[in-house]
Amino acid sequence: QKEVEQDPGPLSVPEGAIVSLNCTYSNSAFQYFMWYRQYSRKGPELLMYTYSSGNKEDGRFTAQVDKSSKYISLFIRDSQPSDSATYLCARKGAGNMLTFGGGTRLMVKP
Amino acid sequence: DGGITQSPKYLFRKEGQNVTLSCEQNLNHDAMYWYRQDPGQGLRLIYYSQIVNDFQKGDIAEGYSVSREKKESFPLTVTSAQKNPTAFYLCASSQVGLGGYTFGSGTRLTVV
Repeated sequence: QKEVEQDPGPLSVPEGAIVSLNCTYSNSAFQYFMWYRQYSRKGPELLMYTYSSGNKEDGRFTAQVDKSSKYISLFIRDSQPSDSATYLCARKGAGNMLTFGGGTRLMVKP
Repeated sequence: DGGITQSPKYLFRKEGQNVTLSCEQNLNHDAMYWYRQDPGQGLRLIYYSQIVNDFQKGDIAEGYSVSREKKESFPLTVTSAQKNPTAFYLCASSQVGLGGYTFGSGTRLTVV
């Protein structure tokens, strides 16, 4: 079993929809999680950084960690065509090493 | 502006050739990383370095080599021993123990 798993998609939604992107992880000891956004042919950029459980909000983006089910989510409200990208979740381990999920491709259609 | 620069953006390699991908950062980060990205497979770690003159193999180091002679620079050589080198290569940096990674814009390597 991979340490961090994501549905590869693609996930296609209409503009303005609420998007839910999800990851599962294997080790309940993991506490730090991150979401990266990657546009086509570009490097990933850090979107959100969360610790332990609960929610963290930044503008239209909300990151949520559910430790009991080992589930992390990224919600995007009022989605825009510019949100079309691949979203990568990652968990932080010893020595600041990140382990990434395979990414979910999101398409927001005007 | 602080950042991380990868060059070239596109690189073509003939069979049997070694090629070197450049990665330079001016963020004063101690740690640097090389990842390979193939369609549908996410990011796979090739090599990483947490201090100058020291580096460790990642999950897929075979056929690759690196050096870390300066804090700012972490070049990756794709050798002829790497049988399937066509991929998108990403370099990243971070402070040891803190925060996330800053990524470069990537180098797309194609074997011709």
